[in-house]
Amino acid sequence: DGGITQSPKYLFRKEGQNVTLSCEQNLNHDAMYWYRQDPGQGLRLIYYSQIVNDFQKGDIAEGYSVSREKKESFPLTVTSAQKNPTAFYLCASSPPAHTGELFFGEGSRLTVL
Amino acid sequence: GQNIDQPTEMTATEGAIVQINCTYQTSGFNGLFWYQQHAGEAPTFLSYNVLDGLEEKGRFSSFLSRSKGYSYPLLKELQMKDSASYLCAVKDSNYQLIWGAGTKLIIKP
Repeated sequence: DGGITQSPKYLFRKEGQNVTLSCEQNLNHDAMYWYRQDPGQGLRLIYYSQIVNDFQKGDIAEGYSVSREKKESFPLTVTSAQKNPTAFYLCASSPPAHTGELFFGEGSRLTVL
Repeated sequence: GQNIDQPTEMTATEGAIVQINCTYQTSGFNGLFWYQQHAGEAPTFLSYNVLDGLEEKGRFSSFLSRSKGYSYPLLKELQMKDSASYLCAVKDSNYQLIWGAGTKLIIKP
């Protein structure tokens, strides 16, 4: 079955540590996205990539980094520079269709201790 | 600025009909999406509207009025499994998605 796989589902980190969230898709989608979800707020875009080896900052890119070396993979690193990293992180991809519907992974919940 | 407003929470009764309102003010409009999100899970696609009017898909319908900047999903014959958050998102003139904070729908027996 095609889909998007995020790992880990739950992650705990000490302050000052970097952590990398994995996102893999086998839907053959060119576009991939990372969103952050906090209670009472809409999804906020961190980074997105329309094609391999290219990515752009979203609305809240500070303290995060990404890479897109393969079409299937779009890992997100939450660095120690991110002041408030505790959140639910969602990875998504979309086909090159008119609607641009997003397909989401199951999410990764990061807690900073 | 760009803004999407949805009620924070709504309550409805099993078997009834509920309408969840979303008003938006964005720089341009290239379509409106509704997603359903169960607690702790990923959002799943419900509908996409780009033209005015009502689109029906079984128990679920979605309405759009571009002139009023307004949309709603209509859920009929509510079931307990419909308890979830409903997210409204608008694609602006740059084809970027602007998300509302979501409406938590609570279904009571």
